[in-house]
Amino acid sequence: KAGVTQTPRYLIKTRGQQVTLSCSPISGHRSVSWYQQTPGQGLQFLFEYFSETQRNKGNFPGRFSGRQFSNSRSEMNVSTLELGDSALYLCASSSTGGENGYTFGSGTRLTVV
Amino acid sequence: LAKTTQPISMDSYEGQEVNITCSHNNIATNDYITWYQQFPSQGPRFIIQGYKTKVTNEVASLFIPADRKSSTLSLPRVSLSDTAVYYCLVGRGATNKLIFGTGTLLAVQP
Repeated sequence: KAGVTQTPRYLIKTRGQQVTLSCSPISGHRSVSWYQQTPGQGLQFLFEYFSETQRNKGNFPGRFSGRQFSNSRSEMNVSTLELGDSALYLCASSSTGGENGYTFGSGTRLTVV
Repeated sequence: LAKTTQPISMDSYEGQEVNITCSHNNIATNDYITWYQQFPSQGPRFIIQGYKTKVTNEVASLFIPADRKSSTLSLPRVSLSDTAVYYCLVGRGATNKLIFGTGTLLAVQP
């Protein structure tokens, strides 16, 4: 079966702009989580959606937001981009609560210049 | 979520068995232990998950002592392609918020 698909794979944006990243989970998976990975901070949890509702949220500013659609696809948005937002953004999906682990996508590499 | 402690790095040679130990002294009764593998510029990949004793799948084994305050990921006969960062996570099976530590960078040499 198809894995978790993230688009785009690479993105370059300018400070102050906004960006939207997309994640299509594995078919049948209703939970989608987002993570930010940087060399300095490692992997950090952003938020998690289940059945179109945000269930968990990490410690990120309000510039980071997300949503989930009825088909479980999810998007995350970062507004007013800062240089420090440059990172690999990863999406993970699971059937319900991760009882058999989470499946991650390959990520979107965002570079803010 | 329980905090985990793992070695920052480990070295091994092809064909050897590698054991990576993770400490989680504050593990809760309903917490599971899960290991992920990550290659550069890729998302983490689920390796194995367990609650107690021993779990084995086609790629690894997970050993969990009775007190569950630590766990050991065992990789049999590693190859160069096993060079990656390995993360140990502890949380409820229903936890939707994975807390990643620094992980262990395993370097396999020929």
